Formats: sequence, C-alpha cells, structure tokens
Amino acid sequence: AQTVTQSQPEMSVQEAETVTLSCTYDTSESDYYLFWYKQPPSRQMILVIRQEAYKQQNATENRFSVNFQKAAKSFSLKISDSQLGDAAMYFCAYRSAEASGTYKYIFGTGTRLKVLA
Amino acid sequence: DTAVSQTPKYLVTQMGNDKSIKCEQNLGHDTMYWYKQDSKKFLKIMFSYNNKELIINETVPNRFSPKSPDKAHLNLHINSLELGDSAVYFCASSVGSGGPTDTQYFGPGTRLTVL
Repeated sequence: AQTVTQSQPEMSVQEAETVTLSCTYDTSESDYYLFWYKQPPSRQMILVIRQEAYKQQNATENRFSVNFQKAAKSFSLKISDSQLGDAAMYFCAYRSAEASGTYKYIFGTGTRLKVLA
Repeated sequence: DTAVSQTPKYLVTQMGNDKSIKCEQNLGHDTMYWYKQDSKKFLKIMFSYNNKELIINETVPNRFSPKSPDKAHLNLHINSLELGDSAVYFCASSVGSGGPTDTQYFGPGTRLTVL
C-alpha cells in the first residue's frame, strides 16, 4: 500500500523569504501523480501544484515550485517570496495513475506553515 | 458559481441522531468522493462514486451510507451518530479518467459536532 509522510508538523517563515516543505512517499508503482494542497483557516482545500511522475521536469506555479526526486521518492514544495496569505496547512497527496478504476488520493498528515510579518 | 458545494457547513447534533450532508458539483465531473478530516487534520477517503456507482468503500462503519441520485450529487447519511464521528467532512469531485488532468476539487467542508 502507498503511504505519504510529511515529517514537519509545523514550519515558520519570514515574509518575503523562501521556505521548503518536505514530503516523502512509498509506492511500488512506476506511474503516479503527486499534489500539494493548501488548506487555509477557511477550511477550503485548494490545489497548489501537481506533478506527473513520468515527467522529469519539476512543476512550477508562480511562486510555488516542487523538487521531485523520483528515485528518492521525495516531493518537496518550495514557496518563494512568502506572503501572509500563504499561512495554511499544506498537504502532500499521492494518486495512482494505474488503471485500477479508483484513483483515490492518499494524503500526508500535513504541515502547518506560519508566515511571520 | 461554486464548483463543489456542501450543505450544511456546520452541523451540531446529539449522540444517537441521524443526519445527512449534501454535496453537489457543477463541474460535469463523473466521480465524487467523501473524505473525513479528524481533529489532527488527518484526511482520509471514505467513499467514491463514479457515475452513481460505488467504486471505493473504505473501512467505514455501516452507519455511514452514501447516496448518489445522479452524478452531480453525492450525499452522506449517518445513522446513530457517535462522539467519534465529530470531524470535518469534505466532498470532492474529479473527471474520474485517471489521466494527468484528473484533479480532485474539494467542497468547503462540513464541520460535524456530536454532543
């Protein structure tokens, strides 16, 4: 069974600085997708970024980028120029790409990010 | 327009009661999901429906029964509520194809408190 581990329960970053959130996963599959979701105090789960495992190039969305290391099964999220609005819980998630028909997500336990003014 | 909506957003009830949470998506997706997020923020899938058919049923007590009248709706009915059912319940939907663009979109969540 696949697992997703976020070893940092909480992180802090100064406004305008850069922070990296860690995520590791375990799977025997070769094709899958990885996601980072943000959950602000409003509770809404918001997709931040997505990475296809078959792509070597790291995904980037504005100030958000990932460092995807397939061999190491690592998928970290880098937030550049941190803003107060980035304060939230961040969840790493895994989804199989195999044709099992379920495509369920497996979530990590989350990292709470605090942004200091 | 809200893509995935849930009602109610807050639900406070007594132990032993029966309650329902409704979910609707207007994205034209084929697959819908229910997740439970506990007090430690752990998010775990409960059920998934694809075109009104149940495709994922995790080890959830049978007091929980999902119902999908059509592919745009997935409701969650909970019988004989227990204290441990207190959590935030999220509905989500996706295209369901499993391809690269098959991303789940979440509703705002329903905070259920059982007294």
